[in-house]
Parts: sequence; C-alpha cells; structure tokens
Amino acid sequence: EVRLVESGGGLVQPGRSLTLSCAAFGFTFDDYAMHWVRQAPGKGLEWVSGISWNSGRTDYADSVKGRFTISRDYARSSLYLQMDSLTPEDTALYYCAKDMFGLNSAYYYMDVWGKGTTVTVSS
Amino acid sequence: EIVMTQSPATLSVSPGESATLSCRASQSVSSNLAWYQQKPGQAPRLLIYGASTRATGIPARFSGSGSGTEFTLTISSLQSEDFAVYYCQQYSNWPPLTFGGGTKVEIK
Repeated sequence: EVRLVESGGGLVQPGRSLTLSCAAFGFTFDDYAMHWVRQAPGKGLEWVSGISWNSGRTDYADSVKGRFTISRDYARSSLYLQMDSLTPEDTALYYCAKDMFGLNSAYYYMDVWGKGTTVTVSS
Repeated sequence: EIVMTQSPATLSVSPGESATLSCRASQSVSSNLAWYQQKPGQAPRLLIYGASTRATGIPARFSGSGSGTEFTLTISSLQSEDFAVYYCQQYSNWPPLTFGGGTKVEIK
C-alpha cells in the first residue's frame, strides 16, 4: 500500500525550532519529487516546500524561505522539514505529499498525501 | 506568483443535482491544473489533473474542463460523499505551486 506517515509535530514556543518527518511506504521513494503542504486552522492549502527526486533542487514559499529546510534520506525513504524561527503564523497541519512524477527536476501535482502532523506555535 | 481564485466560496446543492465550480488563474497556466477534494478531518485527494483527466479511481461524475485562465470542475448527480471542499492547483509556473482558496460544496 502506498502511504505517507508524518510525525514530529507538537507545541513549540515562538522563535524555537522543530523538525517534521515523513516516512514513505509502498513506492520507490528515490524516483519522485516530494512536497510539504500546510493548512492553517479553518483555512485553505498552502504549498510550503518541494524537493526534486535527486535532491538537486529545493524550493520554498516566500513565507518560509530562509527559515525552513527540506531534505530527504533515501536509505530511510524519509522526507524532512527543519523549521527554524517559528512564528504563530506557522501554526498549521503539515502534510507530506508525493509528486506525481519524478526523474526530472520539475514539480507537478500530488497524488499521495499523508494524514498530516499538527504544529502549534504559541507561548 | 500565479494567483488562483475559486468561486463561489460556498455552493449549496441538493443531492442528485449537479455542481459547477470555477477556478481562475491570474495568468495562463495552459492545462497544468489539478483539482483536489478534501473532506473534514481528511487529507486532500487528487481528482483531476491536466485540467480534464480523472485520477485513478475517480468516478465519471467528476469532470474537469478549461485551459489558459478559466477552469471548471463539474460534479454531476451529487452523492452524499461528494459534499466536501474542492481546491484547484496550478503547476505551470513555480515556485511556488499555488492553490485556490477552495469551494465548499454543502447540502442544500
């Protein structure tokens, strides 16, 4: 079964750091671009970051650029999001998502989503 | 950044009727548009890609159309499980990938 399982969310104070993880199962993780998408409470979807199949390209939304770092571990079939200098505006449910395609450095759309992990930034 | 605008924000429809949802891009995205369905407490699910191609397992009552800047998702004969929020997403010009604000389809 193809699935993604996020972990690492929690309550964190403003200015602190948190790292999210996403474990991939049931597909060849090495072959696909991956993304983080977040959803603030009661709001819509916001793309946060993407990474190409070979980690050669990483991209970020302006709202997180310079604070968040996306990475992947092929041996562990896992995706990560290092989040620094967190603010209350980063409070959201964070989804890990698989891109439909891989083996190039382009992004498309997401065909597999995890259930998400909740990040709450508050003092 | 390409801005995606969805309308209406909320659509009230009776079961068995059809629903037409709109998505507009601030500049042409060709046919590089996807639609997702999100039910309460669930992750989004891919419905349509390439503006009009149904994803695997998506019923034929879901259809997408349009190109350039104007797109439509039509749900014919709404079933109870179709009441949800629907998002469009462009993948023509990135970063960033951008989503519309969503349309909630509710029971009338």
